[in-house]
Amino acid sequence: RKEVEQDPGPFNVPEGATVAFNCTYSNSASQSFFWYRQDCRKEPKLLMSVYSSGNEDGRFTAQLNRASQYISLLIRDSKLSDSATYLCVVTLNTGGFKTIFGAGTRLFVKA
Amino acid sequence: DAGITQSPRHKVTETGTPVTLRCHQTENHRYMYWYRQDPGHGLRLIHYSYGVKDTDKGEVSDGYSVSRSKTEDFLLTLESATSSQTSVYFCAIRGTGDSYEQYFGPGTRLTVT
Repeated sequence: RKEVEQDPGPFNVPEGATVAFNCTYSNSASQSFFWYRQDCRKEPKLLMSVYSSGNEDGRFTAQLNRASQYISLLIRDSKLSDSATYLCVVTLNTGGFKTIFGAGTRLFVKA
Repeated sequence: DAGITQSPRHKVTETGTPVTLRCHQTENHRYMYWYRQDPGHGLRLIHYSYGVKDTDKGEVSDGYSVSRSKTEDFLLTLESATSSQTSVYFCAIRGTGDSYEQYFGPGTRLTVT
């Protein structure tokens, strides 16, 4: 089982739609959680951190469920420019600091 | 912008030749990382550094070595390139303080023929 798992997609949605991605992680000692966005042939860029209380940044909402070991990203009112791959990232410290990246979920937003 | 540059941005080389990739940062970050990204895989850590001359292996370190003689530069060397090392290589730095987020350079596309 992968340490961080994501549905690879692709998710094809129309402009204005709401879309949600989930990510599961296997290590209960995981400490920090992030969503990154990666455009085609570009580097990953931090989209947002994910906090236990949930957090929102404009059209983006991230949530963490420690009991079920998953995090989610909700995008409201999708824009064409949201088309990208979204990476789920988990860090943990088990005697050494470690960052684990999911393989990503592809999103296509169409006019 | 985390002030990270990578060079070269693209390289084609032949099997068996040595290759060195450079990562340069301008903001005096302590932690620096080298990853490779391949289709179907998440980013995989090759090596990382936690200070000048302080480096450690990641999960896919075989065939790679690193050096950090200055805070701002982290070099990744493929001693004898193989076709399995064809990949996109990203350098990253870790944010300051207690944050664990990482910021990436633009990447180097390496093709080994």
